[in-house]
Amino acid sequence: DVKVTQSSRYLVKRTGEKVFLECVQDMDHENMFWYRQDPGLGLRLIYFSYDVKMKEKGDIPEGYSVSREKKERFSLILESASTNQTSMYLCASSLNRDDLKTRYFGPGTRLTVT
Amino acid sequence: GENVEQHPSTLSVQEGDSAVIKCTYSDSASNYFPWYKQELGKGPQLIIDIRSNVGEKKDQRIAVTLNKTAKHFSLHITETQPEDSAVYFCAASLVNSGYALNFGKGTSLLVTP
Repeated sequence: DVKVTQSSRYLVKRTGEKVFLECVQDMDHENMFWYRQDPGLGLRLIYFSYDVKMKEKGDIPEGYSVSREKKERFSLILESASTNQTSMYLCASSLNRDDLKTRYFGPGTRLTVT
Repeated sequence: GENVEQHPSTLSVQEGDSAVIKCTYSDSASNYFPWYKQELGKGPQLIIDIRSNVGEKKDQRIAVTLNKTAKHFSLHITETQPEDSAVYFCAASLVNSGYALNFGKGTSLLVTP
């Protein structure tokens, strides 16, 4: 089974803190994604990466950055957390650019910024 | 870009009844339509998908239909069971886009015994 794991299930941070959300996949997938999920808004793509050290902005990249130093790991960084970044964050991976079917999601990290 | 509308936002059915969730999309070039199920505390999981060269696809109690002319697709769950209770998301994309999977806002399905 493909596994996408996220470092924390729940996280509470203060406004202004730098926050790192880590995601690891164990199936040698090329593509990795970060989404945020908010009630009534569904899933919105923040950033994605199709290769090591490569990144592309999604629909809502403002206030976020990402890092992909190794193929299996994709980190989402909140440089200075704000209360409007309180949300559920979902990481996903897929095999390669032509394979949409294998989009596996992690369990999510519920981040609260106070 | 692609805009995916999903209805209803909440749906309550009795065990054994059918449930239908509908989605519309705006980009006529979209040709891949997956459905995801998200149970409480878990990430979304792909349950069924359909490509634009097919009008209907069935997998046991789950079926998806696609009307390309009207640009809408639907998820049908028959003989619903309490374990079908979850949030369901539709999505639309171009098969070769690689990345851009546009999601609907989700439908919270509750199946009551």
